Order: sequence, then structure tokens, then C-alpha cells
Amino acid sequence: EIVLTQSPGTLSLSPGERATLSCRASQNVRSSYLAWYQQKPGQAPRLLIYGASSRATGIPDRFSGSGSGTDFTLTISRLEPEDFAVYYCHQYGNLVHTFGPGTKVDIK
Amino acid sequence: EVQLVQSGAEVKKPGESLKISCKGSGYRFPSYWIGWVRQMPGKGLEWMGIIYPGDSDTRYSPSFQGQVTISADKSISTAYLQWSSLKASDTAMYYCARLEGNSGYDNFDYWGQGTLVTVSS
Repeated sequence: EIVLTQSPGTLSLSPGERATLSCRASQNVRSSYLAWYQQKPGQAPRLLIYGASSRATGIPDRFSGSGSGTDFTLTISRLEPEDFAVYYCHQYGNLVHTFGPGTKVDIK
Repeated sequence: EVQLVQSGAEVKKPGESLKISCKGSGYRFPSYWIGWVRQMPGKGLEWMGIIYPGDSDTRYSPSFQGQVTISADKSISTAYLQWSSLKASDTAMYYCARLEGNSGYDNFDYWGQGTLVTVSS
């Protein structure tokens, strides 16, 4: 089973600032099968990025993903008030997927 | 429009059995894997397992293998998650979600609204 580690656990930033979230895998993620989701309180997760760097339908271009192998990054170029949430990475490179523990982005 | 509609909240006692459901609509249900995700109170997402309704091929996380059973009835476009003997530690929100493709190597694209399961004596 691939273990995903996310850092930092909490990121305290102000609106307008840049957020950089990290997801590290315990072994290579095949074909960059890595997704990112956003979850707000009381809501189901929402897909942001798939295939490490492809934005899902309707996701603003301030969200971008990068990386390959074992190291992946989600970047939010300028935080909007609605972006304060928890972000999870998800690897689906084998038929037993895993999620990372999440990074909470909160308002400084 | 793709939709996944889950069954309602449940309150159960330890040792009881439970089966919750997830009904898909707006797409060809047998052709897309459905997964189950646990979220304990105040905690993160945990991938439990997936099922391909077309042939009932099922994969479990090692953490959940033997603890739950995932099944599907393609004739009524519904996937299930069941427990034979609940524990207090099963208290959580459970989400179903669809994998975007039919290979099993896909991200989740659509999510159900969640089913809250509370286990308490």
C-alpha cells in the first residue's frame, strides 16, 4: 500500500497570498495517477486536479498541480476567501488507492 | 446529470448489523467503479474499497478487508456497504464516489452526499 504524507498539516495564510501544499508518496505513483480534492465543512470532497496536473471541469486556473514519481505539489496562486478549506491528495496508481492525511488552509 | 444518492443517517448499537446504499443515476452504472470512503469525526478521508458493478470485482484497503463488505446490484444501479457487527469505532460519515473511468486507475469525479453512521450503546 502506498502511504501518502502531506505537509504542512496546517497552512495559515491571508487572502491574496500564494499557497503551496506538498504530497509525498512512500513509493513511485504510477503514471502520475495523483489527484487533489478540496473539502469544506459539512460538504463532500470536490475534485480539483487529476493526473497530477490536469484541472477538473470548472476549477479556476489559480489552482495548479505539478510533480511526478513520489513528490507532488498543489499551488493556489492567490487565495480567495472560498479557498480556505482542507485539501487531500489521492493516489490511484494501483487498485488499492490511498488518501493523504490532508492539509488545512486557514485564514491568518 | 450524474448523481449518487446515499441512504439516510443511521443510529445503531454495538454488535448490530447495517447495510447502507448508494444509488447512481445519469450514467451507465455497470461501467464505472464505485468506491467507499470513511471520514471519522474531525478526521481525514480514508479509502475503504471499490467495486465494479459490471462484474462485482471488488478491491479492499488492507485496513478494511474483513471488516466490511462492499457489494452492488447493477439491476437497480445501487452499491452497498455493510457491517455484520458494528463497533463504536465505526461511527463516521461514509461517502460513496464514482471513479471517472472504468479501469480502476481513476480519480473520483462524483460524490454522494454522505451517510452518517452513529454506533452507540
